[in-house]
Amino acid sequence: DADVTQTPRNRITKTGKRIMLECSQTKGHDRMYWYRQDPGLGLQLIYYSFDVKDINKGEISDGYSVSRQAQAKFSLSLESAIPNQTALYFCATSDGTSGTYNEQFFGPGTRLTVL
Amino acid sequence: RKEVEQDPGPFNVPEGATVAFNCTYSNSASQSFFWYRQDCRKEPKLLMSVYSSGNEDGRFTAQLNRASQYISLLIRDSKLSDSATYLCVVSKSQGAQKLVFGQGTRLTINP
Repeated sequence: DADVTQTPRNRITKTGKRIMLECSQTKGHDRMYWYRQDPGLGLQLIYYSFDVKDINKGEISDGYSVSRQAQAKFSLSLESAIPNQTALYFCATSDGTSGTYNEQFFGPGTRLTVL
Repeated sequence: RKEVEQDPGPFNVPEGATVAFNCTYSNSASQSFFWYRQDCRKEPKLLMSVYSSGNEDGRFTAQLNRASQYISLLIRDSKLSDSATYLCVVSKSQGAQKLVFGQGTRLTINP
């Protein structure tokens, strides 16, 4: 079974709709992240959370919100989806307790299309 | 200017060849450096960390030049399975908590 799972894997929606992307992990990591990837661009950080009570904005948080429901779950919401939010979204986790060079582990991604 | 810049390629090389990519970063406060690999339509996965002294992992060698602010990746004896996009990744913290990704360099190994 995958350590980091994302649902849904693909979603097509219309402008103005509210969308929630979910991420769950069984790695026991405290840190979780949401990124988006657009063609020709690197991954951009949307939000990150270092524990359940710690939520931080990333580079491109406008139009997005998050919820850390438990250590293992981190959801990303688009309150009113717009076409330029069409992208591939990745959730990632890392272990903040072990010191330096903490690898980030990514989920399989959610491909979102906003029409 | 992008914080991490890579030549997007594509690089097309024959199997068995040696190929090298460079990446430059703009923030001199950067502390941690990585190469991630991303297969088509898949998630990124860590290939290797990059240390100041340079490091090697099998056919892969990574180098860091702090003075010139660039990172390199060398792949020797390339295999068909090396075809992927290689992402240069930088962090300002030792703990690699917030990563900044380059756009990636696409590599295709031809038989």
